[in-house]
Amino acid sequence: DAGVIQSPRHEVTEMGQEVTLRCKPISGHDYLFWYRQTMMRGLELLIYFNNNVPIDDSGMPEDRFSAKMPNASFSTLKIQPSEPRDSAVYFCASRGASGYGYTFGSGTRLTVV
Amino acid sequence: GQSLEQPSEVTAVEGAIVQINCTYQTSGFYGLSWYQQHDGGAPTFLSYNALDGLEETGRFSSFLSRSDSYGYLLLQELQMKDSASYFCAVRDGGATNKLIFGTGTLLAVQP
Repeated sequence: DAGVIQSPRHEVTEMGQEVTLRCKPISGHDYLFWYRQTMMRGLELLIYFNNNVPIDDSGMPEDRFSAKMPNASFSTLKIQPSEPRDSAVYFCASRGASGYGYTFGSGTRLTVV
Repeated sequence: GQSLEQPSEVTAVEGAIVQINCTYQTSGFYGLSWYQQHDGGAPTFLSYNALDGLEETGRFSSFLSRSDSYGYLLLQELQMKDSASYFCAVRDGGATNKLIFGTGTLLAVQP
């Protein structure tokens, strides 16, 4: 099992550019979560999916953020346009229907300059 | 509102025992979890308590008191590799699977 796979590991972009983060959850996991981690705000849940359907996006900061899960093995988080305050580490995590623990990916460190 | 409070930092020496406390205030409660995160790494699941009492997993134990909205993580026989941040997290509500994380405790293990 390769775990949760995220790409890219690092992303540096200029303000105003579109950024797309990618995630492949563990095969068979029904839930997928996107978190953002900063020193100021800690780990924040942005959105989560159950069986590819978005269930709760109340944590998405604003309309510049969008997430999709077109199939059980792939999800994207898009920021358009990006701003310096979006700089953070973005984690994707997945969980099975009967499990308690979340498995996190290695994260994408986003820097917007 | 919802909040999970933890001490920001704890320091201990190798071989010692350390306890990291967590108090929570959430609209719903479906279990308390603990995660470990090394600097630059991803959070890693350590333990889960749904009911009151102590759960033991090797050198780590986790305790929950639902009546006190309180839990702790106990680390025994501390090793240098235990230096990391530790987060408590609460599953908020049965209809959702939102895992809300605490502020995190940075544990420094000294030789």
